[in-house]
Amino acid sequence: DIQMTQSPSSLSASVGDRVTITCRASQTIGSYLNWYQQKPGEAPKLLIYAASSLQSGVPSRFSGSGSGTDFALNINSLQPEDFATYYCQQSYTTPMWTFGQGTKVEIK
Amino acid sequence: ETHLVESGGGLVQPGGSLRLSCAASGFTLGDYAMSWVRQAPGKGLEWISYISHIDSTTYYADSVKGRFTISRDNAKNSLYLQMNSLGAEDTAVYYCAREVATIPQNWFDPWGQGTLVTVSS
Repeated sequence: DIQMTQSPSSLSASVGDRVTITCRASQTIGSYLNWYQQKPGEAPKLLIYAASSLQSGVPSRFSGSGSGTDFALNINSLQPEDFATYYCQQSYTTPMWTFGQGTKVEIK
Repeated sequence: ETHLVESGGGLVQPGGSLRLSCAASGFTLGDYAMSWVRQAPGKGLEWISYISHIDSTTYYADSVKGRFTISRDNAKNSLYLQMNSLGAEDTAVYYCAREVATIPQNWFDPWGQGTLVTVSS
């Protein structure tokens, strides 16, 4: 099984900060990596697919990068509505997907 | 607008059974593969089951294999999850999700709002 490890598990940041969340796969997965945002009490929402493609309707301050085993989700100029938990997901072993453990972004 | 709505969650005793449903609207369920993903209280996301739209081939995570059964009724635009031999470890919010595939990539979009299953005596 491919394990996905996110870091950090949580972070505190201020509105306007640039935030980077990383996701590492236990083996190479090419660009088969998606990112989701989940707010408390809500369903996950797709942000980035195929490592770096922005989902329609998602603000351009979100961006994804990486390939192989190391990936990153960047949020430029953090907004109040961005405080949430973020998950990476590998789709290399479709249809047996695995998720990272999540990164909670909290207000400093 | 594409929409998924789960139902059927609730409180069930250990060893019991429950059947979850997921109603799709705004798109034709028969055109998409579907999955169930669960989230235990305060924990992360766990994919648990998949069903193909081509031939209804199914896959399961080891944690539910042999106990859960995924199925679909395209005529009713609905997805189901039959859960048997439930244990405390199955307590979670259960989400259905549509697989969007642009070969070779795929992802989940949208997700339903989730239905809570609590296994307790």
